[in-house]
Amino acid sequence: ETGVTQSPTHLIKTRGQQVTLRCSSQSGHNTVSWYQQALGQGPQFIFQYYREEENGRGNFPPRFSGLQFPNYSSELNVNALELDDSALYLCASGKETQYFGPGTRLLVL
Amino acid sequence: SQQGEEDPQALSIQEGENATMNCSYKTSINNLQWYRQNSGRGLVHLILIRSNEREKHSGRLRVTLDTSKKSSSLLITASRAADTASYFCATVIPGAGSYQLTFGKGTKLSVIP
Repeated sequence: ETGVTQSPTHLIKTRGQQVTLRCSSQSGHNTVSWYQQALGQGPQFIFQYYREEENGRGNFPPRFSGLQFPNYSSELNVNALELDDSALYLCASGKETQYFGPGTRLLVL
Repeated sequence: SQQGEEDPQALSIQEGENATMNCSYKTSINNLQWYRQNSGRGLVHLILIRSNEREKHSGRLRVTLDTSKKSSSLLITASRAADTASYFCATVIPGAGSYQLTFGKGTKLSVIP
């Protein structure tokens, strides 16, 4: 167990809706990253937060946004959901070595 | 975009045999890491090798890195059914400004009891 938890485990939304995914990072880790993993692919970096500030962003549109709280937990928000947003969303805490949560599986219909 | 590419895409072996997976990448790196993923769930960090290292061991795992060929290999010795999983290499690129892991598409390993 990595100590990183994510909620919910599964989620079904319809196109155009908005979704918020949550992550509690491993104790003592002030850096959290979010990744999107489509079926059969490797994880793709969405963004990273360090001490509540965005500290790097991958090739994702602005409708993907995030927050990090003072206790270093984090949220990923996705607006105007599209069918291609269906994926496993992974949160990871740590810097060079990252500790992943179990993921949230999002299905957009 | 994918920085690393694992080879083969899928590998099936008998329990007790060794499994070798390869990873090629495109740009200079700070380090290369291998992760394991069971059944589409969270990834587990296995081993990290820095750009100035050539070989590293951890239990039944042996990783090599050849920066001149931009490639790495992961060897799992005496495989077990519990090793059945997808294995990903991930690189950290210098100067990216963050600890961004760039993953390949993975190798799916099946160990048959």
